[in-house]
Formats: sequence, C-alpha cells, structure tokens
Amino acid sequence: EVQLVESGGRLVKPGGSLRLSCAASGFTFTSYNMNWVRQAPGKGLEWVSSISSSSSYIYYADSVKGRFTISRDNAKSSLYLQMNSLRAEDTAVYYCAKDLGGVWSIDSWGQGTLVTVSS
Amino acid sequence: QSALTQPASVSGSPGQSITISCTGTSSDVGGYNYVSWYQQHPGKAPKLMIYDVSNRPSGVSNRFSGSKSGNTASLTISGLQAEDEADYYCSSYTSSNTYVFGTGTKVTVL
Repeated sequence: EVQLVESGGRLVKPGGSLRLSCAASGFTFTSYNMNWVRQAPGKGLEWVSSISSSSSYIYYADSVKGRFTISRDNAKSSLYLQMNSLRAEDTAVYYCAKDLGGVWSIDSWGQGTLVTVSS
Repeated sequence: QSALTQPASVSGSPGQSITISCTGTSSDVGGYNYVSWYQQHPGKAPKLMIYDVSNRPSGVSNRFSGSKSGNTASLTISGLQAEDEADYYCSSYTSSNTYVFGTGTKVTVL
C-alpha cells in the first residue's frame, strides 16, 4: 500500500523559511515522479512543483518560482520542499503526491501538512 | 497558469445522473488526453477517480465516467448516492510540463 507522510508544517512569520518533508513507502520511489500540491483554507487545489524520478526535470508554479525548491533523496525515499520568503498567501495544507506512472496524473496523496504564514 | 473552469456547485437527487464540466484551453485540456478527476471529502486528501480523460483506477465505481470534447472535459456520476457528496476537481497536463487544477465543484445530494 502506498503511504506518503508529510511533516514540517508549522506557524512561520512572513519572510521566513520552512522545509517540508515527505516519507514515502509501499512503492518503488525511484520509479515515480513526485509533486507538491497545496490547498489554502476553504479553497481549491493548486499544483506547486514536480520533480522527475531522477531529479533531471523540475517544474514550479509561477506563484512559487524563485522562492521554493523541490528535491528528493531516492536513497531515503523522501521528497522535500524548501520554502523561502514565505508570504501570507502561502498559507495552505501542503500535500505530497505521487504520479501514476507512464501518464500525467497524480494517483496517491499524503494527508497533508499545514503551513501557516502569519505575524 | 490559470485554473480550469468548473461550476461552483451541482446537485441531484439519489439515483439521478449529474455532469460536471471542466473548461480549459488548447494548451491544456484541449491539447492532451491527460485529464484527471479527483473527489475530496471534507478534511480528507483528494482521491483519483478518472485519469486519461476516461480511465477508472482499480476500485473506483463504474458509476463514474469521463469524457472530453475540444477544450472541455466532463465527469458524469450516474446513480447518484449520498456518499458521492463531496468536492470534485479536474486537472490537466499543460504545454509547460506542469499540472493545472480546476476551480472545484461542490456536489450536493438532495
């Protein structure tokens, strides 16, 4: 069974930094592209970033480009999101999400970790 | 990277069929057969219901079906049940090698 467990979310002041982690298990982590997707309170889903299986390809939403960095450690089956220069509008539940594989679709999601940016 | 457009709400009675639309552009929905649909119950993570426009993952009821015409994709739920009450989101691959999600639709079972 696929398991994705996020951690690292907390209250942080505007302009601050935070690193989210996602521990993956139940599948061959090295074979799948991974993503971060966020959801602001009471709002819809917003794709944040994707990283290919070997980290060769990395993409970001315009809203976070230059501030967030996605990375992965295949030896540890872990995904990360380094978040810098945080803004109030970054407040959201951040989901770690796995691609289906072979097609452009996300098939598995963690339970999410809440990031709150407020003074 | 504008969100795909979905109706804010759709409702139906038990046993009826409802359809949710998802409108994008030729750079996303219209350009690729990579449209997915997700169901999200309050406080829960999204669940994949449809991928590649019309394919159902294992374990998803055949009451859920997907289609696409031009820049608009659709999700149809037939034989509506109380447990189908949730938020539904479409998503698409884009020409920028990214994903874009829809604005979301709240489905109410009357």
